[in-house]
Amino acid sequence: NAGVTQTPKFRILKIGQSMTLQCTQDMNHNYMYWYRQDPGMGLKLIYYSVGAGITDKGEVPNGYNVSRSTTEDFPLRLELAAPSQTSVYFCASSHGFRLTEAFFGQGTRLTVV
Amino acid sequence: AQSVSQHNHHVILSEAASLELGCNYSYGGTVNLFWYVQYPGQHLQLLLKYFSGDPLVKGIKGFEAEFIKSKFSFNLRKPSVQWSDTAEYFCAVNRYNNNDMRFGAGTRLTVKP
Repeated sequence: NAGVTQTPKFRILKIGQSMTLQCTQDMNHNYMYWYRQDPGMGLKLIYYSVGAGITDKGEVPNGYNVSRSTTEDFPLRLELAAPSQTSVYFCASSHGFRLTEAFFGQGTRLTVV
Repeated sequence: AQSVSQHNHHVILSEAASLELGCNYSYGGTVNLFWYVQYPGQHLQLLLKYFSGDPLVKGIKGFEAEFIKSKFSFNLRKPSVQWSDTAEYFCAVNRYNNNDMRFGAGTRLTVKP
């Protein structure tokens, strides 16, 4: 199994551009998450989803959007990129919420200039 | 406010030294607790987890953690660290009645050979 796959691994955006970070999991997990990781700040939850068609905001949702049309895919969209969105983004999934751990993708390093 | 606190930002040890990394959380009620490790350039991987039962849990690579409910703590320990333990360590908490997982800011461990 591939687990959680994120693309791209690296990306440089100009201010105001838009892009979609892709995330796919092949473990048939119901729960999926997007986090951003900034130095000294740990991981902050952006959005999460408890199943296809259901999404909810996390700690830092502003400037991002998500959709969950299938169990496997959970893309994260940046509509108007800003320098504050320069970060490393991790997608994760888990089978359920309770009594299970999350599996993480390799991350996407995004720089907005 | 929801909070997961890791008190040490950067710990430097020599090989064979003992390790203890602190983690405290501010939620009441039933929680699930995790420690994740992130080796340089890699994604997060589960080190150990606590759901219920024996408050002393053992994980991979000789790590263990103790849940002390009265102190809202879940400290990570290892009797003798190795150079290969150099990584960043994250404590994470989710609550039974909440659908997200919150992370601490992380502790960077450097082990000198």
